[in-house]
Amino acid sequence: NAGVTQTPKFQVLKTGQSMTLQCAQDMNHEYMSWYRQDPGMGLRLIHYSVGAGITDQGEVPNGYNVSRSTTEDFPLRLLSAAPSQTSVYFCASRLIYEQYFGPGTRLTVT
Amino acid sequence: QQQVKQSPQSLIVQKGGISIINCAYENTAFDYFPWYQQFPGKGPALLIAIRPDVSEKKEGRFTISFNKSAKQFSLHIMDSQPGDSATYFCAASMQGNTPLVFGKGTRLSVIA
Repeated sequence: NAGVTQTPKFQVLKTGQSMTLQCAQDMNHEYMSWYRQDPGMGLRLIHYSVGAGITDQGEVPNGYNVSRSTTEDFPLRLLSAAPSQTSVYFCASRLIYEQYFGPGTRLTVT
Repeated sequence: QQQVKQSPQSLIVQKGGISIINCAYENTAFDYFPWYQQFPGKGPALLIAIRPDVSEKKEGRFTISFNKSAKQFSLHIMDSQPGDSATYFCAASMQGNTPLVFGKGTRLSVIA
């Protein structure tokens, strides 16, 4: 079991560029979510999904898109990156109550 | 209603001492209270969790104390070690596919 995997580990973007942060889990969890972590701000929920084909917004969804075509994958898309999206991004998956996080992607937007 | 308030923001404890981190919640529908431990450069890892039908849960040096009437729960780290230095997050959730609600985190430093 690899658990929750995220790629890439690090990424530098220029303002206006687009990219997709990948997240995959091999635990057959229905629930997956994306968080961003900024100093002093804790973990803020961006989007979440309760199963394939179903997504919903979290606390800070603006500037991010998601889709869930399979149980395993939950990619996060930045359509036009902004410096305010510089952050560490964590994907998580959950079975009933227990939630497991991936190792994170550190994104810098210049 | 959905918030979980965590304190303190930062904590410095001597090696061998007891570290105590507190959380309070408002929503009485919450029925699962986990704590996560995060080391620098890593993702948060589930440390220990409690359901509201018990007042205390212990796993090694880590104990959760739960006070349902006060709507508070706390993490106690006994015999704190430098290797416990990390950021700790409390959280709460309820049945169904609703997101976990996280506290803002406590940065713990254990000094020798």
